Amino acid sequence: AQSVTQLGSHVSVSEGALVLLRCNYSSSVPPYLFWYVQYPNQGLQLLLKYTSAATLVKGINGFEAEFKKSETSFHLTKPSAHMSDAAEYFCAVTSYSSASKIIFGSGTRLSIRP
Amino acid sequence: NAGVTQTPKFQVLKTGQSMTLQCAQDMNHEYMSWYRQDPGMGLRLIHYSVGAGITDQGEVPNGYNVSRSTTEDFPLRLLSAAPSQTSVYFCASSYGTGGGNTEAFFGQGTRLTVV
Repeated sequence: AQSVTQLGSHVSVSEGALVLLRCNYSSSVPPYLFWYVQYPNQGLQLLLKYTSAATLVKGINGFEAEFKKSETSFHLTKPSAHMSDAAEYFCAVTSYSSASKIIFGSGTRLSIRP
Repeated sequence: NAGVTQTPKFQVLKTGQSMTLQCAQDMNHEYMSWYRQDPGMGLRLIHYSVGAGITDQGEVPNGYNVSRSTTEDFPLRLLSAAPSQTSVYFCASSYGTGGGNTEAFFGQGTRLTVV
């Protein structure tokens, strides 16, 4: 079975500061990993994905994530936070053999302080 | 290009009532899924389908039924609504190749309240 753990249900950073949202996964097969963002009262939008190509993945809005197999991690970073980054972020996992089932973490709410 | 369309956007039900949440996609995706979102619990998979005529249970299937008669549509039926089913429901679709295009595309959600 696959699972995802997001460390920290709420992260608060100052505008211009580094954003780091943590995600660890569990998978017995090579995983595909995703980060989604959800703005208030909206659906989920894909930020970036890892599908066994480059381990450093760049996404939209200046976000990136690095797949580290030895640490079973896929942390999301952005060098400089912007007020518009305030949202909820979800890490998710699937695999080639179970691509019909995408398992989500519990989410991290990101707040940006002026 | 509409993507994934869910209706209704909001619904209030009385305990014991039944209803169907509609979901349609126009991307010719093989895979479709229903999730519920509750505070602090992320998205939990209710039911999913790998193609027309094929459905399976996810993590929290009790109290819900699905069917997939066409590639485009994947309705979710609440058989007898309970307050515990108060939630935001999301429909999602994705390509069925199992390759690099496995990300899910989401609808805007249905906010359901059961009183």
